[in-house]
Amino acid sequence: AQTVTQSQPEMSVQEAETVTLSCTYDTSENNYYLFWYKQPPSRQMILVIRQEAYKQQNATENRFSVNFQKAAKSFSLKISDSQLGDTAMYFCAFTKGGGADGLTFGKGTHLIIQP
Amino acid sequence: NAGVMQNPRHLVRRRGQEARLRCSPMKGHSHVYWYRQLPEEGLKFMVYLQKENIIDESGMPKERFSAEFPKEGPSILRIQQVVRGDSAAYFCASSPKGLTNSPLHFGNGTRLTVT
Repeated sequence: AQTVTQSQPEMSVQEAETVTLSCTYDTSENNYYLFWYKQPPSRQMILVIRQEAYKQQNATENRFSVNFQKAAKSFSLKISDSQLGDTAMYFCAFTKGGGADGLTFGKGTHLIIQP
Repeated sequence: NAGVMQNPRHLVRRRGQEARLRCSPMKGHSHVYWYRQLPEEGLKFMVYLQKENIIDESGMPKERFSAEFPKEGPSILRIQQVVRGDSAAYFCASSPKGLTNSPLHFGNGTRLTVT
C-alpha cells in the first residue's frame, strides 16, 4: 500500500516570500504520478501541479514548482512570490500508473500568507 | 462548460436514516471518483466508477455504503442507516480518460452531518 506523509501541519509566511511545503511517499511502484492540490476555504480541490515519476525534469506552473527526488521519495512544492490568495490547505497526492486506482492523499499542510 | 456539480451542499440526517449524495460530472467525463474527508484529514479514496461499472471500490466500507453511475443521470453515493462516524465532507471528482491520463476535476463537496 502507498502512503503519503506531510510533516508540516501548518506554515505561515509573509506575502511575497518563498515557501516550500514538504511531502514524502512510500511505494514499491516504479511508474506513478504525484500531485499537489490546493483546498481554499471554499473547500473546492484545485490541482496545482502534476509530476510523472518517469520524467526527471521538475514540473513548473507559473509561481509553483516542485523538487522531485525519486530516490529519496520526496516531492516538495515551492511557491515563489507568495500571495494572499495562496492561503489554503495543500495536499500532496499519489497514484500508481495504470489508472485503476484513486489518489492517496497526505493529511495536508495549512499554509497562511500574512499581509 | 459547467464544473463537477454536487448536491446537496449540506445534508443533515438523523442516525438510522439514509443519505443520498449526487454528483454530475463535467460534460464528456465518464470517469467518476468519490472521496471522503474527515475533519483535519486529507481525502480518502472510496470508489472509482465508469459509466454503469464499478472499477475499484476498495476504499468503500462493505456495509451500508453503495455507489452507482448509471448510463443516464448523476452518480449516486448512498449511505444506509447512517451513524455519527459518517459525518464528513464527501467529494466527487471526474475526468475524461482516467486518473493518469487527465487531471481530476473536483466538485465542491457535500458536507454530511449525522445527528
